[in-house]
This record gives sequence, C-alpha cells and structure tokens, in this order.
Amino acid sequence: QKEVEQDPGPLSVPEGAIVSLNCTYSNSAFQYFMWYRQYSRKGPELLMYTYSSGNKEDGRFTAQVDKSSKYISLFIRDSQPSDSATYLCAMSVPGGFKTIFGAGTRLFVKA
Amino acid sequence: DTAVSQTPKYLVTQMGNDKSIKCEQNLGHDTMYWYKQDSKKFLKIMFSYNNKELIINETVPNRFSPKSPDKAHLNLHINSLELGDSAVYFCASSQDLPGSSYNEQFFGPGTRLTVL
Repeated sequence: QKEVEQDPGPLSVPEGAIVSLNCTYSNSAFQYFMWYRQYSRKGPELLMYTYSSGNKEDGRFTAQVDKSSKYISLFIRDSQPSDSATYLCAMSVPGGFKTIFGAGTRLFVKA
Repeated sequence: DTAVSQTPKYLVTQMGNDKSIKCEQNLGHDTMYWYKQDSKKFLKIMFSYNNKELIINETVPNRFSPKSPDKAHLNLHINSLELGDSAVYFCASSQDLPGSSYNEQFFGPGTRLTVL
C-alpha cells in the first residue's frame, strides 16, 4: 500500500463547476498537507498548505483535512479553463525533510 | 531571475551513455532535492542535500550519483543509462530548519531525459 493514494483521473468538468480532488494516506504521523499545481511541461508549484486538521480557504480554493479518516480534499469553486493542470497532494511530518507526493490528478476544465 | 534553474531542459541520449544534469537555486535555501517524475506523473524523491550533506537517499540504482559542490548547486550524474531512466527529473529547493514548520519546495522547470 502506498503512503499516499490519489486518483490520477483524468477529471473533466465544464467551466464554472465545483471540483473536488482527494487523497488518502496511511501514515498518521503526517501533520503538514500540501497541494501543488503542475501545468503541462512545468515544475509543480505550491497552491495551498494546511497544518493538522481543519479547513483553509484562499480565493476559489479550499483545502480540507480530516485526520481521523486520513483524508484530504481540495475544492475549486467556479472552475476556469486556466485551472486545467495536474494537482498533486503532498504530505510531510514535522521536522522532516521528506515530502511524499500523491500520483497527481489531471484536471481539464472545458470552456 | 529564475529561482531554480536546471540544465539541460531536454536530453536525448543512447543507452549505456553517462550524462549529468545541473541545478542551481538563487533563493538562499539550505536544502535541495532531486525528484523523478515518470510518464504517469508520479513524483518520487531520489535525493536530498541539506547544507551540502546528503540527508535523503532513497532506493535508487548506484548508477545515480548526486553531488553538491555548494548550497546553491545540486547536480545529478547518471552512469550507464537505461531505457527505464527515461523520465522528467526535477530539482527543488526549500528553506528548512529541523523541527520547524512545513517545507515549501520550489521546483525547477525539469529536465526531460529520453534514453534510446
């Protein structure tokens, strides 16, 4: 079993839809949860991060962590064609240098 | 003023050759990483250096050897290239202190390696 599981998709939605991206994990020591966005032929860039459980909102993006279920989500409201990218969840333990990435979900937002 | 840069961007070579990929960061970060991203977009850590010291060394073939001449540079040398080495290799850096908060990693643009 991989430490972090993420459905690779692809996920195709119409413009304006609400998108839900999810990851599950097995290591209960993870405390930092990140979402990276990767456009085609580019390096990943950090979109959002949360510490431990709870929600965090940034514009159209909301990150949610449920540590009891070992489940994290990223919601995108009013999705735009420019949101089309691969979204990778990532996790790490406090004080650790190692970040574990999910497989990435490819998202296509159709105009 | 690129934060993390890699050279070359594309590398096409024959099986059995030896090649190097270079990475430089101008962010003043202490930690640098090499990742391999396969065709399915799975991003896997290979190595990490903190202040020129190797701190992460995942299970990768001995043909891969990282080298950090200083904090701002981390190079990757690959001997006897194989077909399975074809992938995109990303360099990244972060500013970390043990016991501190999460480490946002800044990625380079990637080096697309094709082994024929």
